[in-house]
Amino acid sequence: TQLLEQSPQFLSIQEGENLTVYCNSSSVFSSLQWYRQEPGEGPVLLVTVVTGGEVKKLKRLTFQFGDARKDSSLHITAAQPGDTGLYLCAGTGNAGKSTFGDGTTLTVKP
Amino acid sequence: DSGVTQTPKHLITATGQRVTLRCSPRSGDLSVYWYQQSLDQGLQFLIQYYNGEERAKGNILERFSAQQFPDLHSELNLSSLELGDSALYFCASSAGGGHYGYTFGSGTRLTVV
Repeated sequence: TQLLEQSPQFLSIQEGENLTVYCNSSSVFSSLQWYRQEPGEGPVLLVTVVTGGEVKKLKRLTFQFGDARKDSSLHITAAQPGDTGLYLCAGTGNAGKSTFGDGTTLTVKP
Repeated sequence: DSGVTQTPKHLITATGQRVTLRCSPRSGDLSVYWYQQSLDQGLQFLIQYYNGEERAKGNILERFSAQQFPDLHSELNLSSLELGDSALYFCASSAGGGHYGYTFGSGTRLTVV
């Protein structure tokens, strides 16, 4: 079974601060996704990374895939209250099935 | 609107009963995935279908079954319901094998009383 560990589990910061959340596994994935989920809604796909060492930027969000394709990080610059939510990473194996981490709950206070 | 439609949005039923959850994938997507999300277990993969055929199975209980129809919509059947089955059930779809991520519906919140 492929397991994904996310850290920290909870993060509460002030508006304007920077933060990084991590997603780690002992397994190699063919691709890795980051999703953001708000209460009562389904996860929304933010990004997919495929190549080891790949870095993708989405406005103030920077995503990195580890060289060995086992881990990833999400960095948010100058966090805003609208960034509040549950951030989930998901590793996808060769069969296309995704295994999700338990998520990082981010709260950004105004 | 993500393009993935799940009905009903909320469902309250008694223990021992049977319910059916329905999912219409995003237009053009051939793969459908079902996930269960509870507070203590996160998002757990149940089952995947591709163009009508079962592709992968996760920790789906024997009391649960699913199918994907020729029009690509899918149904998840939950029977002999127990209190512990209370959770959010999500359907997701993808164009092919899911390597570039899924589009999720807004879920069905099932409460078993």
